Amino acid sequence: GAVVSQHPSRVICKSGTSVKIECRSLDFQATTMFWYRQFPKQSLMLMATSNEGSKATYEQGVEKDKFLINHASLTLSTLTVTSAHPEDSSFYICSAGRSTDTQYFGPGTRLTVL
Amino acid sequence: SQQGEEDPQALSIQEGENATMNCSYKTSINNLQWYRQNSGRGLVHLILIRSNEREKHSGRLRVTLDTSKKSSSLLITASRAADTASYFCATDEGGSEKLVFGKGTKLTVNP
Repeated sequence: GAVVSQHPSRVICKSGTSVKIECRSLDFQATTMFWYRQFPKQSLMLMATSNEGSKATYEQGVEKDKFLINHASLTLSTLTVTSAHPEDSSFYICSAGRSTDTQYFGPGTRLTVL
Repeated sequence: SQQGEEDPQALSIQEGENATMNCSYKTSINNLQWYRQNSGRGLVHLILIRSNEREKHSGRLRVTLDTSKKSSSLLITASRAADTASYFCATDEGGSEKLVFGKGTKLTVNP
């Protein structure tokens, strides 16, 4: 099956710093990737849709200046959490789809902001 | 927005028993999918059922879909300890690639 990777898998940073998370589709090209956020013991909440070559589409309530998304190529999307604060600590998961039916999810990135 | 609502939120059973999880949603869909997530990990796609299908099987998994009731169920037969995980249903939103996830059911299978 298709493989989506994320890097890093775990990151700890100080409050006020920025953190970049990469999402790569390893064996297929993805014009669209999705970024989700998951708090402990909760479900996944869609943050934004990352579109190759154009601006990301953010869900209601998600600050686009806080969560910068860049989809520079058909296999790479990045999410940068700017000026991170402890409340940004969460599990961030990306997904990419070969078709409209099935999304392949990355293994997730655990962000802890001290 | 949360569209799918799973119940129960948590389920604890003995190995060998069957586990049934339910999911309800609110709007029209093209398909409904079930995913599994082990603690602290990414999601694994289990099965997709289209809106014109009523039942689908994959190994020990059986999924039903009732579009008139806007509900789906996931049955895991002859459960194993390795089935311990959280299970989420997800629906497409307006036929787009966007997925809306339910709150999930945490399944614990005791050996």
